[in-house]
Amino acid sequence: EDQVTQSPEALRLQEGESSSLNCSYTVSGLRGLFWYRQDPGKGPEFLFTLYSAGEEKEKERLKATLTKKESFLHITAPKPEDSATYLCAVQALGAGGTSYGKLTFGQGTILTVHP
Amino acid sequence: NAGVMQNPRHLVRRRGQEARLRCSPMKGHSHVYWYRQLPEEGLKFMVYLQKENIIDESGMPKERFSAEFPKEGPSILRIQQVVRGDSAAYFCASSPAGGHGYTFGSGTRLTVV
Repeated sequence: EDQVTQSPEALRLQEGESSSLNCSYTVSGLRGLFWYRQDPGKGPEFLFTLYSAGEEKEKERLKATLTKKESFLHITAPKPEDSATYLCAVQALGAGGTSYGKLTFGQGTILTVHP
Repeated sequence: NAGVMQNPRHLVRRRGQEARLRCSPMKGHSHVYWYRQLPEEGLKFMVYLQKENIIDESGMPKERFSAEFPKEGPSILRIQQVVRGDSAAYFCASSPAGGHGYTFGSGTRLTVV
């Protein structure tokens, strides 16, 4: 069974204080690892998809990296508007290497950035 | 370029009533997924559908829950005889074939009183 564990559960930072969020996963065959941001009362907003170990992607103050067992979301010089819940999810390969469809999510990390 | 549209945004039902949640996928997307987010819990997969076809319903409760994605019109998640434990946020996502570009809607918040 696919599993995703995120840590820490909650993270409080001062504005400008860089840090990292962790996502550990086990999956039969990884098709993709997804990062989403979710604001209160809203749906998850897509950030990144990573497909293979060693891959990195960046968007503004965020950088996602991937190894065979975990992914990190690095936040550089965060601002209060980066406060949100960050969700990690994995998508497994189906039979024949096709997409299996569903995403398995972790519990999320609640990030609060104080001015 | 409308995203994934869900309605209603909020739905209140009395115990024993039926709840119908609607999801219109993004233009060009042929795959629809439903997820449930219980208070203080993560997103849990429920069902994966293509037009007129259920691909994976491994996350659906065995009773009272059903889903469809007809040839015309939105996908529907139907919950019969709702109970208080069904209170949650229900999210729909869509993607084109292949699963790339997985996009979520804003959700329907169901409250059972």
